[in-house]
Amino acid sequence: QKEVEQNSGPLSVPEGAIASLNCTYSDRGSQSFFWYRQYSGKSPELIMSIYSNGDKEDGRFTAQLNKASQYVSLLIRDSQPSDSATYLCAVNMRYNFNKFYFGSGTKLNVKP
Amino acid sequence: GAVVSQHPSRVICKSGTSVKIECRSLDFQATTMFWYRQFPKQSLMLMATSNEGSKATYEQGVEKDKFLINHASLTLSTLTVTSAHPEDSSFYICSARGEPEQYFGPGTRLTVT
Repeated sequence: QKEVEQNSGPLSVPEGAIASLNCTYSDRGSQSFFWYRQYSGKSPELIMSIYSNGDKEDGRFTAQLNKASQYVSLLIRDSQPSDSATYLCAVNMRYNFNKFYFGSGTKLNVKP
Repeated sequence: GAVVSQHPSRVICKSGTSVKIECRSLDFQATTMFWYRQFPKQSLMLMATSNEGSKATYEQGVEKDKFLINHASLTLSTLTVTSAHPEDSSFYICSARGEPEQYFGPGTRLTVT
C-alpha cells in the first residue's frame, strides 16, 4: 500500500461545476496535509494546507479532512478552465516528520 | 508569501560534464530543503533531503556520488549532477521547508546532449 493514494484521473468537469479531488493516506497519526497544483511543465504550487478535522475554505477552494477515515479532499467550486492542472496531495507522516509524502496526482480537465 | 528561487531555469550540457543547480529561499530560513526529479508525464520523485550543515539523506536508488548536494546555509542548497549523461535529462525541482509547509522553486530543465 502506498503512503498516499490518489486517483490519477483525468477528472473532467464542465466550467462552473464543482470538482472533487480525493486522497487517502496510510499513517493514522499524520498531522499535516497539503494540496498542490501543478500546471504542465511547471513546478508545484501550494494552494491549501489543513491540520484539523473538518473543512477549511479559501476562496473557491475547500479542503476537507477526516482523520478517522484517513482521507483528505479538495473541492473547487465554480471550476474554471484555468483550474485545469494536476493536483497533488501531500502528507507529513508522524513517523518521518522531515519528509512529505506525495500522491501521484489527479489530472483535472475543466471544459469550457 | 514564501519564495524559493532556482537557478538556472534551463541548462543544456554535453555528456560527461557537470552541472550545478542552486536553490535559494528568499524570504525565510529553511532548515530543510528537498530535491526532486520529474520525468515527462510522471510523478515527482524525491531524490534527497538536505539539512543545513549536515550530509544529505538520499532516497533509495539515487546515487549520492553522482548527485552531490550541499546545504551551505539556511537559505542555499545546491545540487551538482556530475558526469551527466542523456538519461539524466529531466526536470529538477527544489523545495524548502518553511514550517510547517513546503514551497517549491520553479524548477530547472536539464538537457544532456
